[in-house]
Amino acid sequence: QSALTQPASVSGSPGQSITISCTGTSSDVGGYNYVSWYQQHPGKAPKLMIYDVSKRPSGVSNRFSGSKSGNTASLTISGLQAEDEADYYCRSYTSSSTFGVFGGGTKLTVL
Amino acid sequence: EVQLVESGGGLVQPGGSLRLSCAASGFTVSSNYMSWVRQAPGKGLEWVSVIYGGGSTYYADSVKGRFTISRDNSKNTLYLQMNSLRAEDTAVYYCARYHMGFDAFDIWGQGTMVTVSS
Repeated sequence: QSALTQPASVSGSPGQSITISCTGTSSDVGGYNYVSWYQQHPGKAPKLMIYDVSKRPSGVSNRFSGSKSGNTASLTISGLQAEDEADYYCRSYTSSSTFGVFGGGTKLTVL
Repeated sequence: EVQLVESGGGLVQPGGSLRLSCAASGFTVSSNYMSWVRQAPGKGLEWVSVIYGGGSTYYADSVKGRFTISRDNSKNTLYLQMNSLRAEDTAVYYCARYHMGFDAFDIWGQGTMVTVSS
């Protein structure tokens, strides 16, 4: 099972908005609304930011939002802040693997 | 407080074995789907194994036949027995709770480093 495709890096200035894409197939992203997003700061454990494509767990800032169109899911961060600089991973349920598949990760740099 | 604390990582020679532990607090391991996810140095996240509440277990192809996931309900602890270790198993190993209502990993441990090298 190949990993979902994410851009290696994105960047933005404080206050701006950025979007990270996560492209899969009709067997994963496109076929189910079970996409989640994780934020990982260097040397730290991942943190759940979005689940079921667009839902936020309690305590996650509403600057983070998720969406999906066809086989591509997206994470949008608005009002960028320095603390948002981290790696971001998407994950999806897939019908062709035992327990889902992760994206390759995207490094977000806040300029 | 809901948390997971891993232990047991270290340096091991190729072909060797290691057992990782993950102690849970604030919730019951046996009532949840519990998983191991690893991250090789400088690389992305890779799912390794899961144990369902009912006890069924599943593995990534890369570790099938070499790794065994288990739990001790009396200790509320998850384990990963790793045998026949290879250099490519070198990674930080995280235990994580899979929240069925979220269809996502909602609780993660801090991770434990496993290095396979001679």
